[in-house]
Amino acid sequence: DGGITQSPKYLFRKEGQNVTLSCEQNLNHDAMYWYRQDPGQGLRLIYYSQIVNDFQKGDIAEGYSVSREKKESFPLTVTSAQKNPTAFYLCASSIYRGAGASHNEQFFGPGTRLTVL
Amino acid sequence: GQQVMQIPQYQHVQEGEDFTTYCNSSTTLSNIQWYKQRPGGHPVFLIQLVKSGEVKKQKRLTFQFGEAKKNSSLHITATQTTDVGTYFCAGPRMDSSYKLIFGSGTRLLVRP
Repeated sequence: DGGITQSPKYLFRKEGQNVTLSCEQNLNHDAMYWYRQDPGQGLRLIYYSQIVNDFQKGDIAEGYSVSREKKESFPLTVTSAQKNPTAFYLCASSIYRGAGASHNEQFFGPGTRLTVL
Repeated sequence: GQQVMQIPQYQHVQEGEDFTTYCNSSTTLSNIQWYKQRPGGHPVFLIQLVKSGEVKKQKRLTFQFGEAKKNSSLHITATQTTDVGTYFCAGPRMDSSYKLIFGSGTRLLVRP
């Protein structure tokens, strides 16, 4: 079964702690993305990666970090510098055919709900 | 900056009534996508529209892309409780077409 997995589903963190959210895909997609969703809100882009060993900041990258050492994996670390980390985090992937190509649909993982205690 | 807006924010309908959500972009879009997110779930791709004035149907759902390619709509005929969720439109970003900018979504509630 092809798809995107995220773990854990629920995560509780104490203030001042860093936590890492996992995202794995077996769709052979080059591009991967991290979004943050707050209650009743849309999706805001945190980081994105179009190819292994390369990633770029999105709209709200402060307090977050990522790595892309493997095509299948794009973990997100929420650092203690993120002032309001409680949110629903969604990872997505898509085919990448170059910056000028028509866009392709994004496939989303089930998400991780992070709560800071 | 580039913006994508959706109205209404919420819609509460009686089962069997129709529902429409509207999406407006501040810029011309090369295409527009629609996603559905069930309560507690993740967004799932529904459809992509590419051509000016394009209309596509999926059973009771009708999607339209405006002539100027700056607006779009999703219409659901005779809503069912399975239609409950939040519907998002999304378009390619001006700085990079493989990144999307999402609208804020329209949350649909259906009374049985």
